[in-house]
Amino acid sequence: EIVLTQSPATLSLSPGERATLSCRASQIINNNYLAWYQQKAGQAPRLLIYGASSRATGISDRFSGSGSETDFTLTISRLEPEDFAVYYCQQYGNSPWTFGQGTKVEIK
Amino acid sequence: QVQLVQSGAEVMKPGASVKVSCKASGYTFSAHYIHWVRQAPGQGLEWMGWMSANRGGTNYAQKFQGRVTLTRDTSINTAYMELSRLNSDDTAVYYCARQDVALDDWGQGTLVTVSS
Repeated sequence: EIVLTQSPATLSLSPGERATLSCRASQIINNNYLAWYQQKAGQAPRLLIYGASSRATGISDRFSGSGSETDFTLTISRLEPEDFAVYYCQQYGNSPWTFGQGTKVEIK
Repeated sequence: QVQLVQSGAEVMKPGASVKVSCKASGYTFSAHYIHWVRQAPGQGLEWMGWMSANRGGTNYAQKFQGRVTLTRDTSINTAYMELSRLNSDDTAVYYCARQDVALDDWGQGTLVTVSS
């Protein structure tokens, strides 16, 4: 099973700042099948990024994904108030699919 | 637009089984896999398994092998997740999700509470 480790656990930033979230895998992820999800309190997760760097339909270009093999990054270029949430990475290149433990982006 | 509508909250006794439904609309049901993911209170996301809505094939996370069963009824575009031998650690919100490029669309979640 691939273990995904996200860092930091919590990121305290102000609106307008840049957020950089990391996701590290214990093994190479096949085909860079790495996704990022946003989850707000009381809501279901929402797909942001798939294939490590492709934005899902309707997702703002403030969100970008990068990385390959075992090291991946989600960048939010300029934080808007609605971006404060928990973010999860997930790999779907190997069975079983697995999620990281999440990074909470909170208002400083 | 794609919609996944799940059944309502359940309160179950330890040792019982629960069956959660996920009704799909807005797309061709048989063309996509349905996954199930759960989230314990205050915790992260945990993948449980997937089911092919076309052929009914399944793949379960090892942790749930022998306790979870994913099925579907293509006549009503509905997927089901049944979890047996419930214990307090199974208290969680259970989500269904449609796979396209990843887990593209999610149900609203179903809270299952296991309590004596």
